[in-house]
Amino acid sequence: GQQLNQSPQSMFIQEGEDVSMNCTSSSIFNTWLWYKQDPGEGPVLLIALYKAGELTSNGRLTAQFGITRKDSFLNISASIPSDVGIYFCAGRSGGSNYKLTFGKGTLLTVNP
Amino acid sequence: DGGITQSPKYLFRKEGQNVTLSCEQNLNHDAMYWYRQDPGQGLRLIYYSQIVNDFQKGDIAEGYSVSREKKESFPLTVTSAQKNPTAFYLCASSTAGELFFGEGSRLTVL
Repeated sequence: GQQLNQSPQSMFIQEGEDVSMNCTSSSIFNTWLWYKQDPGEGPVLLIALYKAGELTSNGRLTAQFGITRKDSFLNISASIPSDVGIYFCAGRSGGSNYKLTFGKGTLLTVNP
Repeated sequence: DGGITQSPKYLFRKEGQNVTLSCEQNLNHDAMYWYRQDPGQGLRLIYYSQIVNDFQKGDIAEGYSVSREKKESFPLTVTSAQKNPTAFYLCASSTAGELFFGEGSRLTVL
């Protein structure tokens, strides 16, 4: 099956620092989605990307759809304590209109 | 408010018992999904349904069953055949693009 490698697995940063995480795929995707999950809750969609090279922002979050269509990046600027959580990437290939492949997540801890 | 409602939030079950998790959505989405989440494993697809009265197995369907009799509802039954059922279960729905999740149900087998 399709594989998504998400890195880093975890990050410990100081409040105010910028954060970067990425996902790489063994195959081409035509959609990339980034989610954040708080403990004991369902993931919440942060950013959706639909075109290679696309760069989209949502407040302090910026995500990019890699030009090769096999990777995506999420950056968080000026981190704050409420950024703590698990961030997931997810991709959808052209062969399936509905099924998503998820990365294993990046656990972000922000020290005040 | 539009959204996806999962119930119960927490559920305890004895070994050998079947249990059904509820998922209801009022987003008018055609597709619905069940995922299982274990620590360090990410999200794994159990079953999905693209339309009413039709559903397909995901990557880890063994020991689970679903039904899709109504567009709004996609219940998941965790059967006694599931050898390691303790997990966090997430229901989701989508249009052709983005996936939206419920708040999850945590099942613990005693």
